[in-house]
Amino acid sequence: KQEVTQIPAALSVPEGENLVLNCSFTDSAIYNLQWFRQDPGKGLTSLLLIQSSQREQTSGRLNASLDKSSGRSTLYIAASQPGDSATYLCAVGGNTPLVFGKGTRLSVIA
Amino acid sequence: KAGVTQTPRYLIKTRGQQVTLSCSPISGHRSVSWYQQTPGQGLQFLFEYFSETQRNKGNFPGRFSGRQFSNSRSEMNVSTLELGDSALYLCASSVQTSGGETQYFGPGTRLLVL
Repeated sequence: KQEVTQIPAALSVPEGENLVLNCSFTDSAIYNLQWFRQDPGKGLTSLLLIQSSQREQTSGRLNASLDKSSGRSTLYIAASQPGDSATYLCAVGGNTPLVFGKGTRLSVIA
Repeated sequence: KAGVTQTPRYLIKTRGQQVTLSCSPISGHRSVSWYQQTPGQGLQFLFEYFSETQRNKGNFPGRFSGRQFSNSRSEMNVSTLELGDSALYLCASSVQTSGGETQYFGPGTRLLVL
């Protein structure tokens, strides 16, 4: 059974700092990995989707990497801003529906 | 293009009642998935529908059911509500592209069971 873990559960950083969020999964037989952002009381916004054959994806200040063999993914956020404050979730897709981690709650302090 | 819409946004029910939640996917998307999100368990998959057929089902009791209509709109129903059913219920629609299958989520329906 696929299990997804995200560390840390919460993170507080000053504005402008570069940061890394971690995601690990137990079963490397995945099709893709997706990073989402969730604002309080809201739905999920897809940030990046990495196919199992890819190593990384970039969108603006965000860069996500995938290492299937070690069961790890990282989300790198450059030059963080207060507007980046949210919960970040990673989800793994395989031959079963998406399995989510419990998220990292990020606070960027101005 | 309009996003995924869910109605109602908020709902208060009492134990033993039943509830129906609705989800309208993005135009052209034929797959609709439902998730339950609670502080303790996080996001858990309920079921997925594709072209009016249930394609996958999560590990939830039979009180949770769903269906999809010919226009891809989907409903989920929870019967005999329990306090533990209080949660944010999220619907997502998806479409297969060359870049893979990306899920687009609605804003959710927040259900409170008293």
